[in-house]
Amino acid sequence: SSELTQDPAVSVALGQTVRITCQGDSLRSYYASWYQQKPGQAPVLVIYGKNNRPSGIPDRFSGSSSGNTASLTITGAQAEDEADYYCNSRDSSGNHPFGGGTKLTVL
Amino acid sequence: QVQLQESGPGLVKPSETLSLTCAVSGYSISSGYYWGWIRQPPGKGLEWIGSIYHSGSTYYNPSLKSRVTISVDTSKNQFSLKLSSVTAADTAVYYCARVVVTIYDAFDIWGQGTMVTVSS
Repeated sequence: SSELTQDPAVSVALGQTVRITCQGDSLRSYYASWYQQKPGQAPVLVIYGKNNRPSGIPDRFSGSSSGNTASLTITGAQAEDEADYYCNSRDSSGNHPFGGGTKLTVL
Repeated sequence: QVQLQESGPGLVKPSETLSLTCAVSGYSISSGYYWGWIRQPPGKGLEWIGSIYHSGSTYYNPSLKSRVTISVDTSKNQFSLKLSSVTAADTAVYYCARVVVTIYDAFDIWGQGTMVTVSS
């Protein structure tokens, strides 16, 4: 199956740590990538591969994976981290479906 | 600095074909990478439409495959999307992106997106 499942919404207190998860069979074979999208803006890549951050992405963002679950962790969440987060991964057919997205609220 | 810019009609009539182009600057498409299209209906999540390699090999979302064609024009350094027989459900912001496909995959550079409305 190429489906990726995310929790629709997650909240975190300012300065605390939050984990956003993504589940799918393809994650047993392929890495996930993670995207942050703020209202009215294009998505931005924040994590790719085993745990890689593009230039300019704060080191409070990290990624991990175990079995069929990939996780995006924000350590010390900031107000500006409030956004929608999407995971993506290749499937066995070479397709790249996205997860349904998680809306992160920073309280 | 690599930049991508989508262009095309903002309004398409039902049953017609949606056509968009993504112009790439700062990088030659023929040098490598995959190039992809993603869309986002108003208030909804991201949906991968398909990707193309500079050689022309393609991958399409199975749910859209019968209606989608993605092509590349290396001479103009751009790639294009055609979606046929559109309905209101195809109303969305359409993004183009560069796709890294190696031991890890990622959409690393995105265009700003273009809104396409399907309406008579």
